[in-house]
Amino acid sequence: DTGVSQDPRHKITKRGQNVTFRCDPISEHNRLYWYRQTLGQGPEFLTYFQNEAQLEKSRLLSDRFSAERPKGSFSTLEIQRTEQGDSAMYLCASSTTSGYNEQFFGPGTRLTVL
Amino acid sequence: AQRVTQPEKLLSVFKGAPVELKCNYSYSGSPELFWYVQYSRQRLQLLLRHISRESIKGFTADLNKGETSFHLKKPFAQEEDSAMYYCALSGKGFQKLVFGTGTRLLVSP
Repeated sequence: DTGVSQDPRHKITKRGQNVTFRCDPISEHNRLYWYRQTLGQGPEFLTYFQNEAQLEKSRLLSDRFSAERPKGSFSTLEIQRTEQGDSAMYLCASSTTSGYNEQFFGPGTRLTVL
Repeated sequence: AQRVTQPEKLLSVFKGAPVELKCNYSYSGSPELFWYVQYSRQRLQLLLRHISRESIKGFTADLNKGETSFHLKKPFAQEEDSAMYYCALSGKGFQKLVFGTGTRLLVSP
């Protein structure tokens, strides 16, 4: 499968714990995006990278959230001191810099904070 | 600020009926509009982009800058069209996609 992959697919954690998600983009894509989706809503942008540089962060991304893409390939999203309000589907997408902004999405990581 | 509005949460039609899923956007610049679809238990996937003016699975969408709309249409709905449909906006100067809240299309036999 050469699409975007995410790991884990599901994560259940207790409030206050830290969690980390991984995203592997399509190999030739140099842009990588993180979105969050809650029930009844469309995906909401969190942050994006071009190669290893984090170029934009949403105001939704509190200080407890941090994302990295150290070698310009895979990315991690860490949430520290999780809260029940962090429960959501976390989606990763990737795209190239050429042409229009067609983004390819991964299957998502569903986070449940108890 | 950019915004996408999909006024219908659910659209229920019979097989063979025409379908129109509404999308309106707010953006002062030159928009790029997309329709994404999510079938049951599958990932979000691109259905259409306005710039290519193509028809995919019988669906079309025309960008109307005067009405700031990008409605998705299909003349004859099929049961396999049942899915969640999201309209999304991007544009020069910003790379993120701004999504609407989605419309669930249910096509009954």
